Amino acid sequence: QLQLQESGPGLAKPSETLSLTCSVSGASISSSNYYWAWIRQPPGKGLEWIGSIYYTAVSYYNPSLKSRVTISLDTANNQISLRLSSVTAADTAVYYCARPLNAAVVRDVFHIWGQGTMVTVSS
Amino acid sequence: EIVLTQSPGTLSLSPGERATLSCRASQSVSSYYVAWYQQKPGQAPRLLIYGPSSRATGIPDRFSGSGSGTDFTLTISRLEPEDFAVYYCQQFDNSPQTFGQGTKVEIK
Repeated sequence: QLQLQESGPGLAKPSETLSLTCSVSGASISSSNYYWAWIRQPPGKGLEWIGSIYYTAVSYYNPSLKSRVTISLDTANNQISLRLSSVTAADTAVYYCARPLNAAVVRDVFHIWGQGTMVTVSS
Repeated sequence: EIVLTQSPGTLSLSPGERATLSCRASQSVSSYYVAWYQQKPGQAPRLLIYGPSSRATGIPDRFSGSGSGTDFTLTISRLEPEDFAVYYCQQFDNSPQTFGQGTKVEIK
């Protein structure tokens, strides 16, 4: 059974780079024909797609965040990483990793989600 | 980017009642690329409905989706106690895929 688990520091300082990890169990990301996504949710607000990465390491980002975001694969540890630079209070959110329902499709419904990790940006 | 506006912000209903949630897109979206999610406090969103009317695995048939163009609706035919939650719509027709801001269904 596929499971996703996000982890990372709960607190980041303004202007720093935030690094989060999504650990995948039940499937190998290096051979899984899916786009793996990061999605975030500010407190009390809606969801925002951050970006997605394919098992070939091809990635797509939300234009609103593209200049600050890098998503990468750590195949040795079966993890997907998110780096967000120059963070501000507006980046305070629960960050989720998710897998779409359909293989090889970057725009799709999200079928499997991690439980999310809360990140607060504050000095 | 396509902006999705959900209404109402909060819907106060009693168990057994019918819930009708609206999602309006800033430009036309194919109904095949609209989805609905349910989220309970402290939990990740859960996929409910996608495409014109497909229910995700395990979703009861009291949940249904409809709509076309810019106006889409999630209907819960008879509210059960476990249905009180926040609901989000999503469009994945255009990039970037976007979500609405949510409708909270609360117990009246």
